[in-house]
Amino acid sequence: ETGVTQTPRHLVMGMTNKKSLKCEQHLGHNAMYWYKQSAKKPLELMFVYSLEERVENNSVPSRFSPECPNSSHLFLHLHTLQPEDSALYLCASSQDLASGSYEQYFGPGTRLTVT
Amino acid sequence: GEDVEQSLFLSVREGDSSVINCTYTDSSSTYLYWYKQEPGAGLQLLTYIFSNMDMKQDQRLTVLLNKKDKHLSLRIADTQTGDSAIYFCAYGGGSYIPTFGRGTSLIVHP
Repeated sequence: ETGVTQTPRHLVMGMTNKKSLKCEQHLGHNAMYWYKQSAKKPLELMFVYSLEERVENNSVPSRFSPECPNSSHLFLHLHTLQPEDSALYLCASSQDLASGSYEQYFGPGTRLTVT
Repeated sequence: GEDVEQSLFLSVREGDSSVINCTYTDSSSTYLYWYKQEPGAGLQLLTYIFSNMDMKQDQRLTVLLNKKDKHLSLRIADTQTGDSAIYFCAYGGGSYIPTFGRGTSLIVHP
């Protein structure tokens, strides 16, 4: 596998379920990101990790819980979601936060539907 | 208004040039980016320009930056059906993680 991979690609869950999204990058990068993409809205940055430490949390509801066990893996744990949380969730990575160029590599996303 | 503004749709004929425009609010941004998203895929970095440059050309792509007006454009020469996608403008760099616009859907018809 190369680049940034995400699993699952599609997920349908009820509002009382607990599920997790997984992201893996094979690029040797030190920074990883979660974004939410909703139709006709700007891409929303949710979380940023640098060297496994969370450096940004953009007022995201607590029903979204990120985890970064190492610099190659990023998870987004989901529980008691709302229908308005249905969206495409994109993971991205970049070399690091110090270089300043932020050339980001994105995964294909997980299409989440909350019923 | 939003930090990054783009029109939502652009329709062009195959072989014509496409120009996608973007305006942004933060004059301290170091880099300005264009990303492309094809159906069912994540965003792919197409090109970026440093804020001290006016223009950057890369094969069929030309990026123009008017820093005074905070206006960025992406020109695609000889547009092909394979160029149909959503194009995102973003700014950032330095201590600023990129801020993205809503994206412009480019539709190329024969």
